[in-house]
Amino acid sequence: AQKVTQAQTEISVVEKEDVTLDCVYETRDTTYYLFWYKQPPSGELVFLIRRNSFDEQNEISGRYSWNFQKSTSSFNFTITASQVVDSAVYFCALSGASYDKVIFGPGTSLSVIP
Amino acid sequence: KAGVTQTPRYLIKTRGQQVTLSCSPISGHRSVSWYQQTPGQGLQFLFEYFSETQRNKGNFPGRFSGRQFSNSRSEMNVSTLELGDSALYLCASSLRPGGYQETQYFGPGTRLLVL
Repeated sequence: AQKVTQAQTEISVVEKEDVTLDCVYETRDTTYYLFWYKQPPSGELVFLIRRNSFDEQNEISGRYSWNFQKSTSSFNFTITASQVVDSAVYFCALSGASYDKVIFGPGTSLSVIP
Repeated sequence: KAGVTQTPRYLIKTRGQQVTLSCSPISGHRSVSWYQQTPGQGLQFLFEYFSETQRNKGNFPGRFSGRQFSNSRSEMNVSTLELGDSALYLCASSLRPGGYQETQYFGPGTRLLVL
């Protein structure tokens, strides 16, 4: 069975600190996708990244970076120099190769304090 | 370019009734996915449609159904509503289905309250 674990329920950081959100997944598929989404207080989900299981290259997009390690089944998300606008709930998700069996983690609520 | 729109934004129904929610994707997008978000179960995938065909379905009972029209607009229907169906229903659109390297764009959601 597929599973996504986000062990950090809530995190608080002071503005400009770096923060890493953990995501650990379980799947028996050899081909799968991993995702991160952001849900700000407004409630509208924002797609951040999709990574397929064959691409273990780390990704950087501005202050955001993602570290994918198949050896530890983790897909962690780091925000560098956090800002108040980063305050949101962040969800990690896993799907099969055809966007089947989509599973979301429980989410990590990040509060960035000015 | 207009974003993803969902109507209605808020809805109150009573148990046993049925409800239809609508999602209009970004112009040119042919894939629409639906999600349910509740405090207890979190975010769950409902279905994915592409070119009027359901490609994937999450683990939901048959009371939850959907369809997609030729203009890519999608509707989801929940029959015989239960209290546990109270949730935020989100839809997302993309150019192609989720199995492709596509960015998803989400609508603001429809908040359904079942009394």
